[in-house]
Amino acid sequence: GAGVSQSPRYKVAKRGQDVALRCDPISGHVSLFWYQQALGQGPEFLTYFQNEAQLDKSGLPSDRFFAERPEGSVSTLKIQRTQQEDSAVYLCASGRGGDSETQYFGPGTRLLVL
Amino acid sequence: GNSVTQMEGPVTLSEEAFLTINCTYTATGYPSLFWYVQYPGEGLQLLLKATKADDKGSNKGFEATYRKETTSFHLEKGSVQVSDSAVYFCALSDTGGFKTIFGAGTRLFVKA
Repeated sequence: GAGVSQSPRYKVAKRGQDVALRCDPISGHVSLFWYQQALGQGPEFLTYFQNEAQLDKSGLPSDRFFAERPEGSVSTLKIQRTQQEDSAVYLCASGRGGDSETQYFGPGTRLLVL
Repeated sequence: GNSVTQMEGPVTLSEEAFLTINCTYTATGYPSLFWYVQYPGEGLQLLLKATKADDKGSNKGFEATYRKETTSFHLEKGSVQVSDSAVYFCALSDTGGFKTIFGAGTRLFVKA
């Protein structure tokens, strides 16, 4: 079946622009995670949704970052007034829910802020 | 706070060599522990996991044992193949929580 998809795969933005990154999780998956991965580093947790409820947003680095999942399926990560330090790969993962669940990752969106 | 430390890479081995990638963690409570792998050009995927002390996770010839006394979850494989070349990430998640903490990753190169 279809895996997690993300779009766009690559995004170049000028400093100060707003960007929106989309995640299409595996159909029926309850959990949805967003991560930020800097070059040569592991993924850093940003936020977690259970269906449409955002249960943890403790990893969002500033109030310029906003995520939503209004119908409990597709999710969008929005970054306002992008800065150079926002350049990274943004990963989305989904899961069936429950403790110790397996997360299924998308290919990521590589964001470059100039 | 919770954290994961794994050995720096790259690790370069010849085919059929024994592999160990060290991973230690700091956490309150009883986290679940994971190894994820990222093959070239592909997304992260779960390799194996263990949810309580002394559990052994295994998959594709890889093994890791959850050692609470040493707060470790080292990844091992008895005989690596060229196709095992990838980046390996150790991770933990809190019991009942949602936040997953990843290590920095260890790149493995296996030579024929």
